Amino acid sequence: QQQVKQSPQSLIVQKGGISIINCAYENTAFDYFPWYQQFPGKGPALLIAIRPDVSEKKEGRFTISFNKSAKQFSLHIMDSQPGDSATYFCAARGAAFYNQGGKLIFGQGTELSVKP
Amino acid sequence: DTAVSQTPKYLVTQMGNDKSIKCEQNLGHDTMYWYKQDSKKFLKIMFSYNNKELIINETVPNRFSPKSPDKAHLNLHINSLELGDSAVYFCASSSDRRSNYGYTFGSGTRLTVV
Repeated sequence: QQQVKQSPQSLIVQKGGISIINCAYENTAFDYFPWYQQFPGKGPALLIAIRPDVSEKKEGRFTISFNKSAKQFSLHIMDSQPGDSATYFCAARGAAFYNQGGKLIFGQGTELSVKP
Repeated sequence: DTAVSQTPKYLVTQMGNDKSIKCEQNLGHDTMYWYKQDSKKFLKIMFSYNNKELIINETVPNRFSPKSPDKAHLNLHINSLELGDSAVYFCASSSDRRSNYGYTFGSGTRLTVV
């Protein structure tokens, strides 16, 4: 069974601090690892994504670190702001479905709360 | 100009009823999906269509039947609704192009079965 395990389930960070969310995947050929941000009442929105041939990707305050050998990847939010308070999901796309649209498997989600 | 739009946003219905949720995307994407988000916010894929062809059909009760009349539309019909069907259902779409796999989600349909 393909799985993506995400931790922590919830996270409280002070404004200006660093938020770190971790994910691990099992022995399956995934070819794309996105992070999604979801606000209450809204659909998940793509935040940042990485491919397994890259170890790090940075976009503004958001960085993905990817460790292929350990099958782990993490999201770092620098200078966390109250507006970052949301639920964050990591995900992995199954390469077996390349060219037919990939099956995106999600982690369990992390509720981030950034305190002013 | 919404990229992926779902209707209705809220749906409250009694057990045993049949209901449909509609989804449309104007992104020119090749693949569309239905995901279910439960009360613990876990997102699980239900179905996937690529150019009107069903390619993913997870372990979903056959009371759920997706239909894709064209590449831009994917509807979900649910027969004989049960209390356990209460959840938020998200439609999504994605491109097949390796340069851009990004999935775009709709804003969801909150289904409440009473």
